Amino acid sequence: GAVVSQHPSWVICKSGTSVKIECRSLDFQATTMFWYRQFPKQSLMLMATSNEGSKATYEQGVEKDKFLINHASLTLSTLTVTSAHPEDSSFYICSASMTSFYGYTFGSGTRLTVV
Amino acid sequence: GESVGLHLPTLSVQEGDNSIINCAYSNSASDYFIWYKQESGKGPQFIIDIRSNMDKRQGQRVTVLLNKTVKHLSLQIAATQPGDSAVYFCAESQHDYKLSFGAGTTVTVRA
Repeated sequence: GAVVSQHPSWVICKSGTSVKIECRSLDFQATTMFWYRQFPKQSLMLMATSNEGSKATYEQGVEKDKFLINHASLTLSTLTVTSAHPEDSSFYICSASMTSFYGYTFGSGTRLTVV
Repeated sequence: GESVGLHLPTLSVQEGDNSIINCAYSNSASDYFIWYKQESGKGPQFIIDIRSNMDKRQGQRVTVLLNKTVKHLSLQIAATQPGDSAVYFCAESQHDYKLSFGAGTTVTVRA
């Protein structure tokens, strides 16, 4: 089956630094990848949608200059949290989809803690 | 904007009983619905899906029912097991592939 690998699974960083999270589709080509954020005991909130080779589309209220998304290949998308602050601490989850079917495969998530 | 919502934030069920988790959606243009299970610290795990041209779909121990008239979705789990304890989300999508998630129902299975 389709597998999405997300790395790292957890990261702790200092305020003001940047953190990069990788999302890889291991056995399929993901034409579209999605990035979600989930706060404790809350639902997944879509941050942005990225298509390979084009700029990401951000949801309303998500700062594109703070959450940099790159989807340079059909198997890799990255989310960089720039100048991280404690309020950015959250669980970040990626999802990948192929155009040939309605399907979404999720990564295992990245727990970001900003201290 | 429109979003998917869930009835009842928590559900406690006796092991071996059937579970029913409900979901209300507000976007009548949604044409694809998915139920996910999420365990603590993990990403969502696909359970079952259904398209808008269907009203029922069955999987292994799970059944999803879709009532488009009242915009209601439900997940039935037969013979609930301790391993079914998790948070369950319904999600909906339109042709643009973006998934919107509901608030989630926490299911606790009592031994």
